[in-house]
Amino acid sequence: GAVVSQHPSRVICKSGTSVKIECRSLDFQATTMFWYRQFPKQSLMLMATSNEGSKATYEQGVEKDKFLINHASLTLSTLTVTSAHPEDSSFYICSASGGGLSSYEQYFGPGTRLTVT
Amino acid sequence: GEDVEQSLFLSVREGDSSVINCTYTDSSSTYLYWYKQEPGAGLQLLTYIFSNMDMKQDQRLTVLLNKKDKHLSLRIADTQTGDSAIYFCAAYSSASKIIFGSGTRLSIRP
Repeated sequence: GAVVSQHPSRVICKSGTSVKIECRSLDFQATTMFWYRQFPKQSLMLMATSNEGSKATYEQGVEKDKFLINHASLTLSTLTVTSAHPEDSSFYICSASGGGLSSYEQYFGPGTRLTVT
Repeated sequence: GEDVEQSLFLSVREGDSSVINCTYTDSSSTYLYWYKQEPGAGLQLLTYIFSNMDMKQDQRLTVLLNKKDKHLSLRIADTQTGDSAIYFCAAYSSASKIIFGSGTRLSIRP
């Protein structure tokens, strides 16, 4: 099946700093990537959808200036949490579709746990 | 918009069948999914069913879809300790997004 990786798997950063999370599709070209956020013991909330080469579409209530998404190539999307605060601590998961996969087929990365101190 | 609901907890005895239920609101949802999440890990797609199907079976997993009632269930036969996880029901909505339920935490007792 299609494989999606995320890096890093876990990151701890200080308040006010920025942190970048990478999402890569390893064996297919992902025309669309999705970023989700999961709070402890809660469901996944879609943050934004990004199509390769174009600006991301953010869900209502998600600050685009705080969560910068770049999808510059067909195998890589990045999420940068700018000026992170403790309330940004969460589990961030990406998914990808495309490259022969139908849009209803999304494959998920293993997630990145962000802790802001 | 689409709303997906499922119960939060289920406890079953090892070797019994587990049945996890889910309801959704968008009748135009074309695909319905079951994902498994183990502690600290990402989501693993277990199976999905197209809306024109009533049932799909894959080894120990059986998915039943009642489109009229907008009800989806996942049956795990011969439940094992390795099945302990959170199971998410999800629907592919008319807005071309996957909407997730809150997850059902399945625990196995000996």
